[in-house]
Amino acid sequence: EPEVTQTPSHQVTQMGQEVILRCVPISNHLYFYWYRQILGQKVEFLVSFYNNEISEKSEIFDDQFSVERPDGSNFTLKIRSTKLEDSAMYFCASSRGQGNSPLHFGNGTRLTVT
Amino acid sequence: AQSVTQLGSHVSVSEGALVLLRCNYSSSVPPYLFWYVQYPNQGLQLLLKYTTGATLVKGINGFEAEFKKSETSFHLTKPSAHMSDAAEYFCAVMRNTGGFKTIFGAGTRLFVKA
Repeated sequence: EPEVTQTPSHQVTQMGQEVILRCVPISNHLYFYWYRQILGQKVEFLVSFYNNEISEKSEIFDDQFSVERPDGSNFTLKIRSTKLEDSAMYFCASSRGQGNSPLHFGNGTRLTVT
Repeated sequence: AQSVTQLGSHVSVSEGALVLLRCNYSSSVPPYLFWYVQYPNQGLQLLLKYTTGATLVKGINGFEAEFKKSETSFHLTKPSAHMSDAAEYFCAVMRNTGGFKTIFGAGTRLFVKA
């Protein structure tokens, strides 16, 4: 069964550094998402992406964040200047984009900002 | 605006006992509702979904949920808990317009005692 893959599984970075989290969504899916889960807290929506542009973003997704689909397969999340509070699990998800089509999640990238 | 409330951040049952995880939602339009399960160090996996039609939906691993519009509820049940059911469970509502944004509840951690 096709799956969403995320790399790396764990990223450690220093405060102020830029990080890029990578995702390969399921190939025939049209909508792509990033979610964040701070340790012990809820899964929070960051951004949705369709047709090469952001379709919706949350208040968390400020100017420090950006997303890109640089080719036909990868979907990336960039954090320009990381802060301690960016430490979290970041999940990529994709869907066919229909109302009855659930999200398919990757296993996440654990980002630790020191 | 759509939201999801899960009653009880932790639920503990004995092996073989009934599992009941509660979820209430608010939505101005008929929602698409989902339950996801998260095992340690993994992404979220779909358990079951309600979109239209039959209000009692069956999912994987013996779980089922009933959509009750009058109560705005979508509780998850399983007749007999198994040790392998120990995990975090998330109720979610999808907005069926625009970017198909999915909003998650805070999660309920299920403990299963031998």
